[in-house]
Amino acid sequence: GEDVEQSLFLSVREGDSSVINCTYTDSSSTYLYWYKQEPGAGLQLLTYIFSNMDMKQDQRLTVLLNKKDKHLSLRIADTQTGDSAIYFCAESPRSDKLIFGTGTRLQVFP
Amino acid sequence: DVKVTQSSRYLVKRTGEKVFLECVQDMDHENMFWYRQDPGLGLRLIYFSYDVKMKEKGDIPEGYSVSREKKERFSLILESASTNQTSMYLCASSLMRQLKNNYGYTFGSGTRLTVV
Repeated sequence: GEDVEQSLFLSVREGDSSVINCTYTDSSSTYLYWYKQEPGAGLQLLTYIFSNMDMKQDQRLTVLLNKKDKHLSLRIADTQTGDSAIYFCAESPRSDKLIFGTGTRLQVFP
Repeated sequence: DVKVTQSSRYLVKRTGEKVFLECVQDMDHENMFWYRQDPGLGLRLIYFSYDVKMKEKGDIPEGYSVSREKKERFSLILESASTNQTSMYLCASSLMRQLKNNYGYTFGSGTRLTVV
């Protein structure tokens, strides 16, 4: 079935790297996504990776994809307090519908 | 600046009331979605629509209905609100088959509904 899993919480010190992990179930997903939700707001697309890629880097963000294990991760380098938010991964087993994970709440402390 | 607008940020309704949550997008998107978000459960799909007057049930449609009379507007209806429908409701839109082109969804800011 369709199920995307994430740990619920992550706490890191400002300046450290954060790694948010996600496992998904459908290997047919064309793209995999990371969304960010700041307090009181909707979700914003943060980054995505095409399924035939292993890694994608975008400034402080690095996405790693292990298709064999169906594992996706988001690394945030030099984490700042403004990075505190809920992060959702999502897969796209059908071309018109996304399946979202439970979300990981990232807390950054000084 | 393209966007998805949800008419209310906060709503408080009484048990048994009929509740309308409105969502409007200005991007000419074909697909529109309604999710509810609850702590520890992530986003759960209630209903979605691929075109005007079309609708499909998501994972948790019970207690809800939807209306899509115009392409830009997708309404979520709680026929008789109950306390277990207290939640954050998120609307999203996307282009038809857009996910093949990696754009994903555009979300509204959410409506926090409290049923008392």
